[in-house]
Amino acid sequence: KAGVTQTPRYLIKTRGQQVTLSCSPISGHRSVSWYQQTPGQGLQFLFEYFSETQRNKGNFPGRFSGRQFSNSRSEMNVSTLELGDSALYLCASSLDSGGQGLGYTFGSGTRLTVV
Amino acid sequence: GENVEQHPSTLSVQEGDSAVIKCTYSDSASNYFPWYKQELGKGPQLIIDIRSNVGEKKDQRIAVTLNKTAKHFSLHITETQPEDSAVYFCAASPPGTYKYIFGTGTRLKVLA
Repeated sequence: KAGVTQTPRYLIKTRGQQVTLSCSPISGHRSVSWYQQTPGQGLQFLFEYFSETQRNKGNFPGRFSGRQFSNSRSEMNVSTLELGDSALYLCASSLDSGGQGLGYTFGSGTRLTVV
Repeated sequence: GENVEQHPSTLSVQEGDSAVIKCTYSDSASNYFPWYKQELGKGPQLIIDIRSNVGEKKDQRIAVTLNKTAKHFSLHITETQPEDSAVYFCAASPPGTYKYIFGTGTRLKVLA
């Protein structure tokens, strides 16, 4: 079966711009989580969605937002990009609630570079 | 605050030897502890997990142990092979938070 699909794979943006990243979970998975991965901070939780509801949000500024659609696909948006937003953004899907029990399946990520 | 410490940050072993990676978590409510392997250019892949009501779990060459009292858990890889070379992350998940707190990662190199 198809895995978690993230698009695009690579993105280069200029400071001040905004960006939207997309994630299609494994079919049947209703929980989608987003993580930011950087060499300095490691893997940091951004948010988790289940049935279109955000159930938790990490410690990121309001410039980071997300949503989930009725087909479980999810998008995250970063507005007013800063150089420090350069990172690998990972989407993870799970059958159960936020991966607490059966684990996540991660996508390959979107590599965002802000210049 | 919530924190997971992971050691060592890098680990080199000879092929066939064992590798051990250790993690310590701060939130005693955490009840689910997955381990992920990340290869270059790929997302992390779940390799084994353990729940707080279990002390040890094995899957072929991989095992995880959990000491709830000490808030420690460890990954053990036996008979290491070159394809085990990757970055390994531990994580802890407190119930009801729908999130993982990840360790900082261990770069494992298996030397042929």
